[in-house]
Amino acid sequence: QVQLQESGPGLVKPSETLSLTCTVSGGSISSYYWVWIRQSPGKGLEWIGHIYYTGSTNYNPSLKGRVTMSVDTSKNQFSLKLSSVTAADTAVYYCARQRRGENLPFDSWGQGTLVTVSS
Amino acid sequence: DIVMTQSPDSLAVSLGERATINCKSSQSVLYSPNNKNYLTWYQQKPGQPPKLLISWAFTRESGVPDRFSGSGSGTDFTLTISSLQAEDVAVYYCQQYYGIPRTFGQGTKVEIK
Repeated sequence: QVQLQESGPGLVKPSETLSLTCTVSGGSISSYYWVWIRQSPGKGLEWIGHIYYTGSTNYNPSLKGRVTMSVDTSKNQFSLKLSSVTAADTAVYYCARQRRGENLPFDSWGQGTLVTVSS
Repeated sequence: DIVMTQSPDSLAVSLGERATINCKSSQSVLYSPNNKNYLTWYQQKPGQPPKLLISWAFTRESGVPDRFSGSGSGTDFTLTISSLQAEDVAVYYCQQYYGIPRTFGQGTKVEIK
């Protein structure tokens, strides 16, 4: 059974870049879309974007070009960078796997990691 | 963006009674060429990530009890828990995977009365 684990700093200063990595174990990163989702009390669940194992991406336009995702198939990891963060970016960040194929639900999730934006 | 609106925001149901959650999308999530609704339901318990319950509006995931059922098509969907159990206390979310960005409903909190 595939498992996902987020890692990265829990505290980021305003205007800096949030960086998170998701490590996939128990399965290959190949042939799937990999997703970042965040959850904050004010905005509920928000899809940040996804990356295919080949590196092609699709991001939420609401994040106005601040998002970059990457994938490292040799390490079975994918990553998220969110630049110019503000307090509004404080949330629990989840990585997830989209079921194999396009336009499908998310069938495996990491436990989530809380990122707080504060000076 | 496709806006997903759930109702109610919360509900309290007696053990063994039926719980019904509604989800409405701002545009149809039915893809005519394959006649499938790109709509899923998740269950989230405190301190846990969401868990996939139902996909394609009514297809239960493996291991999900049959007291959970999904229905609806186009823009209006329902999640029904036919006989609420204590372990069903959670927040339930609908989500569309028809368009980009993927969007979620605001969640419905189910509690025991």
